[in-house]
Amino acid sequence: GAVVSQHPSWVICKSGTSVKIECRSLDFQATTMFWYRQFPKQSLMLMATSNEGSKATYEQGVEKDKFLINHASLTLSTLTVTSAHPEDSSFYICSAWQGQETQYFGPGTRLLVL
Amino acid sequence: AQSVTQLDSQVPVFEEAPVELRCNYSSSVSVYLFWYVQYPNQGLQLLLKYLSGSTLVKGINGFEAEFNKSQTSFHLRKPSVHISDTAEYFCAVAYYGGSQGNLIFGKGTKLSVKP
Repeated sequence: GAVVSQHPSWVICKSGTSVKIECRSLDFQATTMFWYRQFPKQSLMLMATSNEGSKATYEQGVEKDKFLINHASLTLSTLTVTSAHPEDSSFYICSAWQGQETQYFGPGTRLLVL
Repeated sequence: AQSVTQLDSQVPVFEEAPVELRCNYSSSVSVYLFWYVQYPNQGLQLLLKYLSGSTLVKGINGFEAEFNKSQTSFHLRKPSVHISDTAEYFCAVAYYGGSQGNLIFGKGTKLSVKP
């Protein structure tokens, strides 16, 4: 149980294009989903917290207009990187939380912007 | 501000040797504690967690951790490591207030198991 999937697992795109990443909780309903970013050889940095049916809460320094988050249902949240640039290249990981103690993480999406 | 410190960024060890990965956190309130493992190019997998009760927690793959409230530590141990344990290990703390469950991660410890 408690499986979280992400799609796509990796994506390469041209600078200026937008990329959508999906995060799904497969066998449970997630009250909250979190989006993290991980640079090479570094820890996870929380980007935003997403609650179903409401606007996401962004961490300080994260551009909300660049990283659009939609949490349309209790099992799906999407992160759209708008007008991506090479500096947006990173490993993006989501997690899902049921309101109890444990966050369950997706396998991550590697984004490379050329 | 709350923080998690993983004292060792890299830990090289020979196969079948014991290993301890250290984690300390800052907090004056009750916390939940986690260890996650990340294999190359993959997401995070939960190794074990401490919520309450017994301070010695056993997880998957033969790992265990001990919660020490007085020392605010949650060190991860394994008595005999395998090559397949080579990965990045993250300690994380959750401070649950209100309806949010924010995890604070340490910077990670890269465990390299050598034959």
